[in-house]
Amino acid sequence: AQSVTQPDIHITVSEGASLELRCNYSYGATPYLFWYVQSPGQGLQLLLKYFSGDTLVQGIKGFEAEFKRSQSSFNLRKPSVHWSDAAEYFCAVGPSSNTGKLIFGQGTTLQVKP
Amino acid sequence: EAGVTQSPTHLIKTRGQQATLRCSPISGHTSVYWYQQALGLGLQFLLWYDEGEERNRGNFPPRFSGRQFPNYSSELNVNALELEDSALYLCASSLEYVGPTTDTQYFGPGTRLTVL
Repeated sequence: AQSVTQPDIHITVSEGASLELRCNYSYGATPYLFWYVQSPGQGLQLLLKYFSGDTLVQGIKGFEAEFKRSQSSFNLRKPSVHWSDAAEYFCAVGPSSNTGKLIFGQGTTLQVKP
Repeated sequence: EAGVTQSPTHLIKTRGQQATLRCSPISGHTSVYWYQQALGLGLQFLLWYDEGEERNRGNFPPRFSGRQFPNYSSELNVNALELEDSALYLCASSLEYVGPTTDTQYFGPGTRLTVL
């Protein structure tokens, strides 16, 4: 079955520190992978996506993610976190052919300490 | 360019009533998706409409239904509301599905439905 796991429910980092959010997926075919961010009470904003090609993907707001097929992972990174990055982050896989469905992980809440 | 818009922002209903939520996709997008984000349950896929047709639905009862209009906007209807229907309902849109590079879903701000 297709699934996405975000092992960390909550992460706290200091402002200016580096960040890595983990995402592992289970998917039968070549995965299409996404990271979205959700600020409190808001919708989802697309940070970046991977379809094929270069396994290191650059996104908005200084985020990047690396696709590692051997580890079934698509971890999100940022070299220096800003207080405005505090939000909930969702990893997603899909949509599979003819379903339109994105499968989301449970999300990781990022808290940034001043 | 305007993003996905949803209305209303908040909706309060009582158990047994009907709720109607609306979504306008990004200009040029023909596919609309609905997701439910309930506390503790994460983001669950509800429905997919493309070119006016329902293409797929998630594991939700038939009282969750919707439609897509000729201008590609969409409506989600929830009948016989139950307390557990309280959630944030997110709409997303994408270009016509012709392959993975067109599949990127862009989300609206959501409608917060509260059932009392």
